[in-house]
Amino acid sequence: QVQLVESGGGVVQPGRSLRLSCAASGFTFSSYGMHWVRQAPGKGLEWVAVIWYDGSNKYYADSVKGRFTISRDNSKNTLYLQMNSLRAEDTAVYYCARARITMIVANAFDIWGQGTMVTVSS
Amino acid sequence: DIQMTQSPSTLSASVGDRVTITCRASQSISSWLAWYQQKPGKAPKLLIYKASSLESGVPSRFSGSGSGTEFTLTISSLQPDDFATYYCQQYNSFWTFGQGTKVEIK
Repeated sequence: QVQLVESGGGVVQPGRSLRLSCAASGFTFSSYGMHWVRQAPGKGLEWVAVIWYDGSNKYYADSVKGRFTISRDNSKNTLYLQMNSLRAEDTAVYYCARARITMIVANAFDIWGQGTMVTVSS
Repeated sequence: DIQMTQSPSTLSASVGDRVTITCRASQSISSWLAWYQQKPGKAPKLLIYKASSLESGVPSRFSGSGSGTEFTLTISSLQPDDFATYYCQQYNSFWTFGQGTKVEIK
């Protein structure tokens, strides 16, 4: 079935780095734009980053620009989020999500992973 | 940046009630609006896209309306499974979520 599974979360000290992965299955991964969305404990949803289906374009929320990098490996059906210079305010559950329509990134998110928790603390 | 404002923040209702949640955009987003349902500890679930289109598999008691800057999500007859937090999201210019509306048992 169509599925996204995140991994790579954990506890990390401020200023350190972490890389999240999102493994896709059950659909043609290389045809869909992909996003990262995060949710701080007890808070709402915050869009983090997007990557085009072919990796040709990437955009970021201002809160992570210059620190986070989104990437994908279509041969491995996997999405990544490299997080550098982590701050306490980056503590959140991180979800990967699929754009609803093939090739069109400007859309709602129809498939979500279960999320992976990132805690930034000394 | 486009800001999304939902009201109310919390809503107390009973099974069978008709429930309406409002979402306002800081500028026109045409019909590029989605609604999501999220239960504690779970990922959000897409309910409505393009303001009024029902996602496959979503019960017909959910409906969306609006365009421009004002939108509503209506649950025609609240069911026990519907107690959750609901988020609107614009995708006209990048992606922004509203702050959420928690629907709780009265």
